[in-house]
Amino acid sequence: AQKITQTQPGMFVQEKEAVTLDCTYDTSDQSYGLFWYKQPSSGEMIFLIYQGSYDEQNATEGRYSLNFQKARKSANLVISASQLGDSAMYFCAMREGGGGFKTIFGAGTRLFVKA
Amino acid sequence: GAGVSQSPSNKVTEKGKDVELRCDPISGHTALYWYRQRLGQGLEFLIYFQGNSAPDKSGLPSDRFSAERTGESVSTLTIQRTQQEDSAVYLCASSSWGGGIYNEQFFGPGTRLTVL
Repeated sequence: AQKITQTQPGMFVQEKEAVTLDCTYDTSDQSYGLFWYKQPSSGEMIFLIYQGSYDEQNATEGRYSLNFQKARKSANLVISASQLGDSAMYFCAMREGGGGFKTIFGAGTRLFVKA
Repeated sequence: GAGVSQSPSNKVTEKGKDVELRCDPISGHTALYWYRQRLGQGLEFLIYFQGNSAPDKSGLPSDRFSAERTGESVSTLTIQRTQQEDSAVYLCASSSWGGGIYNEQFFGPGTRLTVL
């Protein structure tokens, strides 16, 4: 069964520094996709970045990059040059390729950016 | 274009009553998802619709929960005989098809359900 684990309930980072949010996953599928979403206090879900299981390069989107270590089944999100507006909940999610497109989410990590 | 819309935005009901939540996906999106998010927690998958295929209902927590979708349009999530543990934000998302595993889900603003 697919499973997503985010072990950091809360993280603090100083403004302008980089921070890594951890995500590990479990799946028996060879084909899957990993997603990161941001949820500010307003409650909206904002898509940040995607990594496919067959992608050889780590995904990057602006200040976001995904440190994908397939053998270790980890997909950590790295936010560079943190900004105060980055303070939010961050969710890691996975979708398996076989048998439909059900997506499961981790419990989330709340990031606090300090001025 | 318009995003995913959900109604009502807030719903307060009494224990034992039935509630119906509505989701309008982005036009042309064939896939539609319902999630539940309890306070301070992650998203729980409830149900997934894709076109005319049989929905994936594997996340529905009990037979009090049901959902319908007509074609590729509006979906309704119905909770019968509501219980206090049903209190949560119910999020709907839609996505297009054809991009394989990568089909970005666009989320609605959610319906906050409070069961007294």
